[in-house]
Amino acid sequence: EVKLVESGGGLLKPGGSLKLSCVASGFTFSNYWMHWVRQAPGKGLEWIGEIEYDGTETNYAPSIKDRFTISRDNAKNTLYLQMSSVRSEDTATYFCTTGGPGRFAYWGQGTLVTVSS
Amino acid sequence: DIQMTQSPSSMSVSLGDTVTITCRASQDVGIYVNWFQQKPGKSPRRMIYRATNLADGVPSRFSGSRSGSDYSLTISSLESEDVADYHCLQYDEYPYTFGAGTKLELK
Repeated sequence: EVKLVESGGGLLKPGGSLKLSCVASGFTFSNYWMHWVRQAPGKGLEWIGEIEYDGTETNYAPSIKDRFTISRDNAKNTLYLQMSSVRSEDTATYFCTTGGPGRFAYWGQGTLVTVSS
Repeated sequence: DIQMTQSPSSMSVSLGDTVTITCRASQDVGIYVNWFQQKPGKSPRRMIYRATNLADGVPSRFSGSRSGSDYSLTISSLESEDVADYHCLQYDEYPYTFGAGTKLELK
């Protein structure tokens, strides 16, 4: 069974940093591109970026480019989202989801990040 | 960025209805459109991929279609478990973009 479990969310102040994790199981993690998608409270979904199988290529949405970094550790079956210089508008639930052939087929339960002074 | 204009934003429906939700792409995105269902407090669930393909485990009353730059999700004979939010996504060009969502509510 494919499983994605995000963690690391919480409350932080504007300008702060936070690192989210997504642990994958039930599939060969290193064979899949992976994505992060977020959803502000009561709002729609927003794609924020993706990472290639071995981490050599990343693509980001303009809204978070140069502030957020996606990385992965295939040995640990873990995807990361390093958030920095956060703003109130980054308040959202952050989901990891699969890429490649199973693009957006599997999703984690999400982790809530709240940015507030 | 490619805009996915989704309509309607909300819809009042009855059980047994046929429901159609549409996304219009501001540029050609080919077949690279997915549809997702999302229930309150839950993660999105992929329903349709590559515009017209039914995802694994999705009931056959769901279907996807394309006419030019218009992409539609149709639910035939709506059941209570289908009452949810629905989102389209284009993944032809970066940044990938979602529609604003459609909320189905029971009359």
